[in-house]
Amino acid sequence: KAGVTQTPRYLIKTRGQQVTLSCSPISGHRSVSWYQQTPGQGLQFLFEYFSETQRNKGNFPGRFSGRQFSNSRSEMNVSTLELGDSALYLCASSLNLGAVTEAFFGQGTRLTVV
Amino acid sequence: SQQGEEDPQALSIQEGENATMNCSYKTSINNLQWYRQNSGRGLVHLILIRSNEREKHSGRLRVTLDTSKKSSSLLITASRAADTASYFCATDGGNQFYFGTGTSLTVIP
Repeated sequence: KAGVTQTPRYLIKTRGQQVTLSCSPISGHRSVSWYQQTPGQGLQFLFEYFSETQRNKGNFPGRFSGRQFSNSRSEMNVSTLELGDSALYLCASSLNLGAVTEAFFGQGTRLTVV
Repeated sequence: SQQGEEDPQALSIQEGENATMNCSYKTSINNLQWYRQNSGRGLVHLILIRSNEREKHSGRLRVTLDTSKKSSSLLITASRAADTASYFCATDGGNQFYFGTGTSLTVIP
């Protein structure tokens, strides 16, 4: 069974640009959530999608957005990049985050903003 | 913040010794999960313990949960150099996970 796939693995962008990250969950999983990890702030929740609907959103500015497609694949977009957006972005996949099931993470996308 | 905290923040032990790390959280939970992260890579799922369970084992891992104290512990027995990583606990709530601050474990060969 394939794991959670995040693409790309590494990305370097310039301030002001925008970026789109992709996450393909484990087959059959309908919940996808996104997290930002930085040395100073740890793992911070961005948003969670289930069956193409955003069910929860963390405390991030509107420059951070996401969506989920009918095949459960999810994308997150960050517009007008700032230096502080440099981080490891992780997505997690589970059958249904609200239930008692394991959540599995991808390898992450390392975003560097210069 | 609903985030939990791991204790200690850093732990250094000799290969073969046992490593214990603790996690405290703030709200009631349905389950608690432990993850391992190797140097800036993705999180690897280790074990899930439900709120009505008190102890769970998986290989060299033993997890306990005390919901009255809102705490959990992860014990790694007979540690190996390959266990060197950061360990996080995560609790569920409101369609998101709340992660602790992590324990950085170093196992010295």
